[in-house]
Amino acid sequence: LAKTTQPISMDSYEGQEVNITCSHNNIATNDYITWYQQFPSQGPRFIIQGYKTKVTNEVASLFIPADRKSSTLSLPRVSLSDTAVYYCLVGDEGSTLGRLYFGRGTQLTVWP
Amino acid sequence: GAVVSQHPSWVICKSGTSVKIECRSLDFQATTMFWYRQFPKQSLMLMATSNEGSKATYEQGVEKDKFLINHASLTLSTLTVTSAHPEDSSFYICSARGGRDRSSGNTIYFGEGSWLTVV
Repeated sequence: LAKTTQPISMDSYEGQEVNITCSHNNIATNDYITWYQQFPSQGPRFIIQGYKTKVTNEVASLFIPADRKSSTLSLPRVSLSDTAVYYCLVGDEGSTLGRLYFGRGTQLTVWP
Repeated sequence: GAVVSQHPSWVICKSGTSVKIECRSLDFQATTMFWYRQFPKQSLMLMATSNEGSKATYEQGVEKDKFLINHASLTLSTLTVTSAHPEDSSFYICSARGGRDRSSGNTIYFGEGSWLTVV
C-alpha cells in the first residue's frame, strides 16, 4: 500500500483558500486518492475522491497531476468550522477491500 | 453518502468485564466492515477486517481473542472487548465499504466512533 506524506499542521484565516498537498510517490496504477476530515471524538468524514486530473464537489476540489505522485486538497474560503485533521489516503479499494492505513494527517487550524 | 452508525457512543466498564460495540450500515449492505482504534492525538490504527459469514482478519499485533469480531449480517458487525483493562480505553471506530449500491460505490464510510473507558 502506498505511503503518504502530509504536513503535520497548517494555519489559515477565515475566508482564505487552503491547499493541503499530499505526496504518494509509490502510488499504484489502480490506486484511488481519498481525503477524509476528522473532528475530535468523531469518525472520519469522506470529503473527496479522485483518480486523476481534477475533481470538484460541493465542499472541496482535488487536484492530481499527471504523474499522480501527489495530490492537493483545496478548501475554498475556509471557516472556523473547518478546523480539523485532514487525512490523505491512497489504495486500490478493489483489492484491499477498504483496508485503509492512516498516516498522521494534517491538523488545519482556522483563525478568526 | 452512505450512513454507518455505531452504538454506544460511549461506555464505561469495570476492569475485567467485557463490552460490546455495534456497527451498522443503515442504508446499504456491507459484506466487509473494518474496525479501528484511535488514542488521543494519534491517528487511526486498523485493527481488523470483519467479513460477513466468516472469520475476521486481524492486523499484526492485534489479539484476536481479546477483540472478538462477529459479522452476523450484511448490516451489522460487533466488536467485543473481552476482559477489558484500562489500557484498552480508546476511541473505537468502524467503517464499511459501500460496494453494492451505485450511490455508495467504492467509498469507505465511517461510523461516529465509540469511546471506551475502562476503570
